[in-house]
Amino acid sequence: DAGVTQSPTHLIKTRGQQVTLRCSPISGHKSVSWYQQVLGQGPQFIFQYYEKEERGRGNFPDRFSARQFPNYSSELNVNALLLGDSALYLCASSLLAGEETQYFGPGTRLLVL
Amino acid sequence: AQSVTQPDIHITVSEGASLELRCNYSYGATPYLFWYVQSPGQGLQLLLKYFSGDTLVQGIKGFEAEFKRSQSSFNLRKPSVHWSDAAEYFCAVGRGQGGKLIFGQGTELSVKP
Repeated sequence: DAGVTQSPTHLIKTRGQQVTLRCSPISGHKSVSWYQQVLGQGPQFIFQYYEKEERGRGNFPDRFSARQFPNYSSELNVNALLLGDSALYLCASSLLAGEETQYFGPGTRLLVL
Repeated sequence: AQSVTQPDIHITVSEGASLELRCNYSYGATPYLFWYVQSPGQGLQLLLKYFSGDTLVQGIKGFEAEFKRSQSSFNLRKPSVHWSDAAEYFCAVGRGQGGKLIFGQGTELSVKP
């Protein structure tokens, strides 16, 4: 079975631009979480979505938003990009929301110039 | 405050030697505990998890971890390291609160031939 997939794999943007990252969960999984991993650090939680509703939000500004579609795939949007948004963005899927093991995709590496 | 501490930023071991990576956590209740591994430029792969029950858990690739409530620790061990184990290892805790996993800073493992 396919694991979590993310697109694109790499992305280069300039400050002030907007970016959309995409994630498809493992088949049968209904929950998607997003994490930001800055170089040299552990992943930081951004959002969790379950059944198209936001179930959890980390300490990120309103420039970060996300949504989940009826097929359980998800998009993460970041507006007004800053240099500090350069990071690996990881998507994780789990069967349900809450007390479930999360399985991670390969990530999208975003570079903001 | 909820947090995870991995005291060792970088560890080097010889191939065939034993390995122990340390993880300490601060959490309000007994958390769910995870170890993930990340190869360069890749996403996170789940090694093992602890939810309840036997405090010694077995994972993939010959890894095991022991939960010690009194020490708030969840150390990862492997009896004989292989060169392919060189990677970054992350300890994470959660309790199903909106899907949020809290990660440590990671321990980079190098393996000497």
